[in-house]
Amino acid sequence: AQSVAQPEDQVNVAEGNPLTVKCTYSVSGNPYLFWYVQYPNRGLQFLLKYITGDNLVKGSYGFEAELNKSQTSFHLKKPSALVSDSALYFCAVRDAYSSASKIIFGSGTRLSIRP
Amino acid sequence: DADVTQTPRNRITKTGKRIMLECSQTKGHDRMYWYRQDPGLGLRLIYYSFDVKDINKGEISDGYSVSRQAQAKFSLSLESAIPNQTALYFCATSDRGQGIDEQFFGPGTRLTVL
Repeated sequence: AQSVAQPEDQVNVAEGNPLTVKCTYSVSGNPYLFWYVQYPNRGLQFLLKYITGDNLVKGSYGFEAELNKSQTSFHLKKPSALVSDSALYFCAVRDAYSSASKIIFGSGTRLSIRP
Repeated sequence: DADVTQTPRNRITKTGKRIMLECSQTKGHDRMYWYRQDPGLGLRLIYYSFDVKDINKGEISDGYSVSRQAQAKFSLSLESAIPNQTALYFCATSDRGQGIDEQFFGPGTRLTVL
């Protein structure tokens, strides 16, 4: 069975500071990993994905995520937070050999950036 | 994403009523999905369709049905709405041709069942 966990319901960061949103996963095979962002009154927007290759993945809006296979983590990071980064962030995972329908979403982490 | 539209955006209804939520997409994608979002639970898959003739149950299909009227349209129905179906509902699409599923979401429908 596959699962994904976002251990923090909320993360608070001052503008200009680095931010990290945590995600850990469990799959039986190779993982496909995704990050999505949800702004108020909007649907989820794709940020980045890891399929294969370099463990460091760069995405939209200056975000990046690094796969750590030994710790089964895929934390989302940004070197310098902006107030406009405040949103709800979802990590998602599926096993590379499972159906494309089997993407599992985490419960979400609310990121709040204070000026 | 304006390429995926949902109607209505908000709906308040009463227990026992039949409700239909509609989703349309102009992305030309073959795959469409319905999710519900509840606070603290993330997104859960209700139904999905990989093409017009393919309909599959997701994680939480009880109490729901769907219709794929065309490649671009995928409707979700609540046959007899109940209060615990109060949630935010999202339609999403993806393209098999892109290989790995990056999903594109509609703006959501906020449904309240009284």
